[in-house]
Amino acid sequence: GENVEQHPSTLSVQEGDSAVIKCTYSDSASNYFPWYKQELGKRPQLIIDIRSNVGEKKDQRIAVTLNKTAKHFSLHITETQPEDSAVYFCAASRNTGGFKTIFGAGTRLFVKA
Amino acid sequence: SAVISQKPSRDICQRGTSLTIQCQVDSQVTMMFWYRQQPGQSLTLIATANQGSEATYESGFVIDKFPISRPNLTFSTLTVSNMSPEDSSIYLCSVESGYYSTDTQYFGPGTRLTVL
Repeated sequence: GENVEQHPSTLSVQEGDSAVIKCTYSDSASNYFPWYKQELGKRPQLIIDIRSNVGEKKDQRIAVTLNKTAKHFSLHITETQPEDSAVYFCAASRNTGGFKTIFGAGTRLFVKA
Repeated sequence: SAVISQKPSRDICQRGTSLTIQCQVDSQVTMMFWYRQQPGQSLTLIATANQGSEATYESGFVIDKFPISRPNLTFSTLTVSNMSPEDSSIYLCSVESGYYSTDTQYFGPGTRLTVL
């Protein structure tokens, strides 16, 4: 069945460094790729998303890249801050043959001050 | 984005009982979903709540265990029936909101369920 693989499962960086999280999806019909940040005890919050007709999108310190041919997409956080510490989930979504979103397993990011 | 509320926010229940979780959205939405998130895990889709018809369940989830209602475009309930400790989890309501047919999913605050 369809799945989304996410790596690494845990990432520890020094404040100010960059963090990169990578995901691979299997469903070639996927055309929308959101990223969620979940702080402890809180709901997942959308932080950035990208559609299949775009290769890269940036929002301040956060950027996402998409390689549809390779079925890879990545989240890049620059100049990390302690408040970036959270669990990040990637997801791949499609709306053909029925709406479906599949989430990655999550990456726990620690930013050390 | 849609404002989503859930009730209750948490509950502790006895084995064998049932709990109904409510999800309310401040605007009409086409699609509503129910997810389960076990501690330290990802989000697992239980079912899609369809307005005016039976919910669509994912593999491993059945209507007898997780009956769902969706009487209108702003409200849904999920019941966890005949609970066991394995049902202890966070249950999240989610809605798809936006102009495009594939658009962002927003999540409710979740219901933390503990079954003793």
